[in-house]
Amino acid sequence: GNSVTQMEGPVTLSEEAFLTINCTYTATGYPSLFWYVQYPGEGLQLLLKATKADDKGSNKGFEATYRKETTSFHLEKGSVQVSDSAVYFCALSDRGAAGNKLTFGGGTRVLVKP
Amino acid sequence: KAGVTQTPRYLIKTRGQQVTLSCSPISGHRSVSWYQQTPGQGLQFLFEYFSETQRNKGNFPGRFSGRQFSNSRSEMNVSTLELGDSALYLCASSPGQAGELFFGEGSRLTVL
Repeated sequence: GNSVTQMEGPVTLSEEAFLTINCTYTATGYPSLFWYVQYPGEGLQLLLKATKADDKGSNKGFEATYRKETTSFHLEKGSVQVSDSAVYFCALSDRGAAGNKLTFGGGTRVLVKP
Repeated sequence: KAGVTQTPRYLIKTRGQQVTLSCSPISGHRSVSWYQQTPGQGLQFLFEYFSETQRNKGNFPGRFSGRQFSNSRSEMNVSTLELGDSALYLCASSPGQAGELFFGEGSRLTVL
């Protein structure tokens, strides 16, 4: 079956530091890949996505590139802010299957200190 | 455009009781999915409904059920509650099937 593995947190950074959250996946077929973010007390929000190999998703200064050869989709941001403190989830969707069944990683908590 | 609305936001039940959670999707979204979020198991897919039909189902016991109405609003029900059912239940709607989900803030269920 499908699975997503992401680095465990918490990740603690200072403001303006570089952030990387590793994500690798196992899937049958060719999944679409996503990063979702959950701010305290809120539901998840889609941060970015990529639907095929070598696609780069980007949003709000965050980027992730779909690497089929390494089955990875690492999230990066060059200069984090306190407002980026949240839990980040990597997820995949099997494009060969009907519907919207997402498989999520365990989440990585990021804490950015001023 | 209003977001996904879940009610109630918080509830406390005792073992053996049942609970019904409600979700109103974004207007025009016909797909509604439910996820259970716990510290130990993370986010786990429960089921997805599209046009009143269950399209996908996760690996949860039959005590967990759901339905969708003609206006796309959805409910999920958990019968014979167990302590382990304590969780944040998240509803998400989608306009299609590309995996782009719009989540509500969740219903936090505590089972005593």
